[in-house]
Amino acid sequence: GDSVTQTEGQVALSEEDFLTIHCNYSASGYPALFWYVQYPGEGPQFLFRASRDKEKGSSRGFEATYDKGTTSFHLRKASVQESDSAVYYCALGGPNSAGNKLTFGIGTRVLVRP
Amino acid sequence: EAAVTQSPRSKVAVTGGKVTLSCHQTNNHDYMYWYRQDTGHGLRLIHYSYVADSTEKGDIPDGYKASRPSQENFSLILELASLSQTAVYFCASSVGNQDTQYFGPGTRLLVL
Repeated sequence: GDSVTQTEGQVALSEEDFLTIHCNYSASGYPALFWYVQYPGEGPQFLFRASRDKEKGSSRGFEATYDKGTTSFHLRKASVQESDSAVYYCALGGPNSAGNKLTFGIGTRVLVRP
Repeated sequence: EAAVTQSPRSKVAVTGGKVTLSCHQTNNHDYMYWYRQDTGHGLRLIHYSYVADSTEKGDIPDGYKASRPSQENFSLILELASLSQTAVYFCASSVGNQDTQYFGPGTRLLVL
């Protein structure tokens, strides 16, 4: 079945550091790929998505590029702020006649020190 | 902006008791979902629905029932709550297939 692997369980950084969270997927065809962010006490919020090979998604300074060759959708941000501390989820949505069943990774907790 | 609300926001239940979690959306979305969140597992789909009066099993449906009485409302029912069902539960909605899902704030359930 479809699966998403996030390599890093937790990442600790200082403000202005470069952030990379690795996301690799396993699915047939061309699934849509998503990044969600979850702040403490809240539900996951949609960050952005990409649906085609080489398509770049971006929002709030974060970006990721759909790479079918390496089956990856790594999240990057050039200069993090303390307010970026949150849990980040990579997800994939396969085409399904009965609905859009997102498959989530286990999440990566990002802690940014001031 | 999309609006998904959940009630209650937190609940303490006894083992063997019945628990109903409610979700309401004002997005006019056809699809609604229930997920549970556990440390080390991320978000896992329990049940979903794409039309009123119909529900579908997700990846982990055992021990849960769902009800979609209207387009706006979607409930998750635990007929006999168990300790293993202690988790945070999220409801979400989306327009349709492969569309972005919008999540509610979650319900924290503790089963004792």
